[in-house]
Amino acid sequence: GQQLNQSPQSMFIQEGEDVSMNCTSSSIFNTWLWYKQDPGEGPVLLIALYKAGELTSNGRLTAQFGITRKDSFLNISASIPSDVGIYFCAGQLAYGGSQGNLIFGKGTKLSVKP
Amino acid sequence: EAGVTQFPSHSVIEKGQTVTLRCDPISGHDNLYWYRRVMGKEIKFLLHFVKESKQDESGMPNNRFLAERTGGTYSTLKVQPAELEDSGVYFCASSHQGQGGSNEQFFGPGTRLTVL
Repeated sequence: GQQLNQSPQSMFIQEGEDVSMNCTSSSIFNTWLWYKQDPGEGPVLLIALYKAGELTSNGRLTAQFGITRKDSFLNISASIPSDVGIYFCAGQLAYGGSQGNLIFGKGTKLSVKP
Repeated sequence: EAGVTQFPSHSVIEKGQTVTLRCDPISGHDNLYWYRRVMGKEIKFLLHFVKESKQDESGMPNNRFLAERTGGTYSTLKVQPAELEDSGVYFCASSHQGQGGSNEQFFGPGTRLTVL
């Protein structure tokens, strides 16, 4: 089946550092979404991207839709302890997928040391 | 505005029993989705409702899973009979119907199902 390769799998950083994670695929996507999940909660939508090359910010978070439409990255600047959690990328295939069927990466677990 | 709610938050059942999960989407959202995350794996799509109709059920594992959305409001996902491999977290999500907005899916807190 279709797969998103999300990396890194986990990160342990110092408070104040910048963070970068990405998702890649061999397939073309027409939508990229980034979610964050806290323990015991469901994924919370952070950023949605709809156009190749699109760069969108949400506070200290910035995400980009890759020009090839096969990848996306998420950056977090000046990390704080509450950034801890699991970050997921999710995308909708441009071809071969149905409307609404999101494909998820395996997640990046972020730990922040005060 | 209330978010997506799911009930129960946890369920522990024995193999062979039946369990029914419920999802209440955000009010006014025509699209309702079910996903599942099995331990150590990624979140995987199960099915998609538009109002009361099944738009896509290609992710349903087998015929032990039955999803309904009578009246186009809340949805139920029944597993009968449950097997050990059905254990995981079941997420529900909803979104608006509309150009550009329909992919912004908002997730509920999930139901953690444990089959013993």
